[in-house]
Amino acid sequence: GENVEQHPSTLSVQEGDSAVIKCTYSDSASNYFPWYKQELGKGPQLIIDIRSNVGEKKDQRIAVTLNKTAKHFSLHITETQPEDSAVYFCAAPLAGGTSYGKLTFGQGTILTVHP
Amino acid sequence: NAGVTQTPKFQVLKTGQSMTLQCAQDMNHNSMYWYRQDPGMGLRLIYYSASEGTTDKGEVPNGYNVSRLNKREFSLRLESAAPSQTSVYFCASSERGAKSGEQYFGPGTRLTVT
Repeated sequence: GENVEQHPSTLSVQEGDSAVIKCTYSDSASNYFPWYKQELGKGPQLIIDIRSNVGEKKDQRIAVTLNKTAKHFSLHITETQPEDSAVYFCAAPLAGGTSYGKLTFGQGTILTVHP
Repeated sequence: NAGVTQTPKFQVLKTGQSMTLQCAQDMNHNSMYWYRQDPGMGLRLIYYSASEGTTDKGEVPNGYNVSRLNKREFSLRLESAAPSQTSVYFCASSERGAKSGEQYFGPGTRLTVT
């Protein structure tokens, strides 16, 4: 099955700075990579996802890049704001390939944005 | 729409006791999931139900059973709780085969086994 490693485990930035979180995966057949944000006391919520037929996807201040050769994908948050403080998780199909069902998640990154 | 609801929000069990965690969704989704979340380990899939009447094991199914009661409800049962099952449990749902693949999560159940 797929294995996802996420780094760093904690990230502290000043408001307005950029934040980058990186994940590596093991199964070259995987082709769906979502990112979830979890605020304190709540369940995770999808913020952006990417499929392997594209190398980058943007949504306002958030972007995800994918390097299939190196088998890694990254979340980029620009102009960070205090409300971006949360735990961020990357994920990939548990059995590789395209699976809109079973996912395996990274270990999570605690992002703190200081005003 | 309430989305995904879970009961109870908190539970304390003694080792060996049993309990059922309840989950319901009102989005008419076909697929439902149970995850556990432990510090430093992210979310791990316990069981998955692609549609009513079907269930499949995830990464960490040992010690758990599930029932897909109908399209709306998916319950998780601990027959004999162990301290290693102390965790936060999340239920999620998604539209099977949907292009977005988005999973919608409930608020979680915090379970402590002493």
